[in-house]
Amino acid sequence: DGGITQSPKYLFRKEGQNVTLSCEQNLNHDAMYWYRQDPGQGLRLIYYSQIVNDFQKGDIAEGYSVSREKKESFPLTVTSAQKNPTAFYLCASSTHGSGGRYMRTYGYTFGSGTRLTVV
Amino acid sequence: QKEVEQDPGPLSVPEGAIVSLNCTYSNSAFQYFMWYRQYSRKGPELLMYTYSSGNKEDGRFTAQVDKSSKYISLFIRDSQPSDSATYLCAMSLPPTSETSGSRLTFGEGTQLTVNP
Repeated sequence: DGGITQSPKYLFRKEGQNVTLSCEQNLNHDAMYWYRQDPGQGLRLIYYSQIVNDFQKGDIAEGYSVSREKKESFPLTVTSAQKNPTAFYLCASSTHGSGGRYMRTYGYTFGSGTRLTVV
Repeated sequence: QKEVEQDPGPLSVPEGAIVSLNCTYSNSAFQYFMWYRQYSRKGPELLMYTYSSGNKEDGRFTAQVDKSSKYISLFIRDSQPSDSATYLCAMSLPPTSETSGSRLTFGEGTQLTVNP
C-alpha cells in the first residue's frame, strides 16, 4: 500500500542535541512538507520541497534543517538552535494536477507523526 | 490576524446530531478548500476537497463554500462516536506556475466529541 512513513513515533532529545526525523513516501509525489503542531497553534509550516534538491523555508524554519536528495525522502533535523522543540511533527506529501494547465495541489497526504520531547 | 480562523471548541454533541463546523478566511484569492479529520496522536486525513463556491456531498458529510462571505462549512449528519476527532479546514491559492503546486494554509482545528 502507498503511503507516508514517519519514524520514530516517539523521540526524546537532550538539551543541545541535534536529532533527525525521518519521512519516506512511496506515492511518487513531487512535493513534501514538514509541519509542527502545538496545542492552540494549529499546523505551522517548517519547510517544504517541490522537487528533488530544492526546498524552501516555511513560516517557522529557524532551528531546523532539511534535505531532499531523493524524491521519496525528506528528513528533518531539529538542531540545538531550536529553543522549544517539544511538539508533534507531521510530514506530508502532495501531487499536482497537470495536462497543459497550471499545476493544482490535490490536498496533502500526511504521515502518522513523530512526537518529540526534550528531556 | 490569522489568514484562516477556526473555533477550536471543544464541541460536544449527542449521537445522531447534525454537526456544523466552520472557518472564515481573509484572503479572497483562496480557491481550493479542504477539510481534514485528525484522530488523537495520528496524522490528518483528507475528508473533502472543493473548488470555488458551492456544495459537495459525500455520504454523511457536506462541504459548503461561500466565497462572497469568505466562509466555509462542514456538516456531519447522523453523527457517530467514531466521528470524534479534530477537524481542520485548509485552503490554498491558485498555483503560480506550471511546475509548482500551492501551499496549504490550515485553520487551528475544532475538537469534536460525539457522545453515545
